[in-house]
Amino acid sequence: DTGVSQNPRHKITKRGQNVTFRCDPISEHNRLYWYRQTLGQGPEFLTYFQNEAQLEKSRLLSDRFSAERPKGSFSTLEIQRTEQGDSAMYLCASSIQGVGKLFFGSGTQLSVL
Amino acid sequence: AQTVTQSQPEMSVQEAETVTLSCTYDTSESDYYLFWYKQPPSRQMILVIRQEAYKQQNATENRFSVNFQKAAKSFSLKISDSQLGDAAMYFCASIASMNRDDKIIFGKGTRLHILP
Repeated sequence: DTGVSQNPRHKITKRGQNVTFRCDPISEHNRLYWYRQTLGQGPEFLTYFQNEAQLEKSRLLSDRFSAERPKGSFSTLEIQRTEQGDSAMYLCASSIQGVGKLFFGSGTQLSVL
Repeated sequence: AQTVTQSQPEMSVQEAETVTLSCTYDTSESDYYLFWYKQPPSRQMILVIRQEAYKQQNATENRFSVNFQKAAKSFSLKISDSQLGDAAMYFCASIASMNRDDKIIFGKGTRLHILP
């Protein structure tokens, strides 16, 4: 069990640029979740997948955000035309369906200048 | 909508003492999970303890235990024999629906300081 892996750990970008983050879940986990966390706040749900199907998207996920899990394994979260308000920690988590127990990665810290 | 409320932004406890972190939640479901997660400075979210709502017995994991009051919708975390390594943000959380695979909703957290 290698845990949930997220890359990169840190990303600094200029406003208006596109960024993409990657999440590799625990290998046998079929559920994958994305959360966003700003300083001093709890994680906010963005979206989740069961295998390759995206089951729910939060209203927080504007049209500039897109997430994919093409083969039901790793997932990517892309933010287009980044804004300063997108600066946050982006957390990925995975679980086995029916267990109700999420395992989190270390997150990707995004700073938009 | 499911909500989780943590009313203590920060708390401090002397090393080796006991501390209790409070959490209340609101749900219309009859069956759900509740969680406490720990987030140290590394920002890695670590599951501390989990409680299934249908179980009357309070969950316990070593020095960590909960006081689950279903009627009052209260779910507090007790840390006994506090250690320096317990210093972290603690988040109370719940599954949003009876679907145990639904998303987890988090409170805003309580920052716990351990005083040597």
